[in-house]
Amino acid sequence: SQKIEQNSEALNIQEGKTATLTCNYTNYSPAYLQWYRQDPGRGPVFLLLIRENEKEKRKERLKVTFDTTLKQSLFHITASQPADSATYLCALAGSSNTGKLIFGQGTTLQVKP
Amino acid sequence: SQTIHQWPATLVQPVGSPLSLECTVEGTSNPNLYWYRQAAGRGLQLLFYSVGIGQISSEVPQNLSASRPQDRQFILSSKKLLLSDSGFYLCAWSAHYSLNEQYFGPGTRLTVT
Repeated sequence: SQKIEQNSEALNIQEGKTATLTCNYTNYSPAYLQWYRQDPGRGPVFLLLIRENEKEKRKERLKVTFDTTLKQSLFHITASQPADSATYLCALAGSSNTGKLIFGQGTTLQVKP
Repeated sequence: SQTIHQWPATLVQPVGSPLSLECTVEGTSNPNLYWYRQAAGRGLQLLFYSVGIGQISSEVPQNLSASRPQDRQFILSSKKLLLSDSGFYLCAWSAHYSLNEQYFGPGTRLTVT
């Protein structure tokens, strides 16, 4: 069955450092991959989307890579700030018009000042 | 601009009681609509999705049902709640074609006692 794995352990880093979160998947060939941010008690918020034929996508301090051979995506936050502390979810989708996504369980990032 | 509303924000219901959660979207037409459940510390589980009025697809067999009586209204229901129905329920919408991000509502925290 399709499986998405994100590091279940919280990631603790110092302010100003680069945070790197990992998303691995098996038994799936997604057309694209998305990353979301979720704060406690709130709904997820979309951050970035990367297609299967793209290697890298950037948005301000965020960078996402997508390696379909390794079946892995890396999510980087450069110059991290305490306000970046949240849970980050990756989501995979096929190419149907339903827009259905399969979400990972998320990785919690804690940026310490 | 588009907005998505969910109510109620929190709900405490006894086992065996009925449930009705409502989600409405403003500022867009013919959206794809989704209901998710998130258990504590877990990822998002897709429960239902809809690509049009009266069109509902169920992702997992369960004690819940969904309906879409109007284009921008999505309702999650149960005739008799179980303890296992407790969780954080999220409604989301996306534009009616693939590769688009999903926009989530504020969520409903349901506790079944």
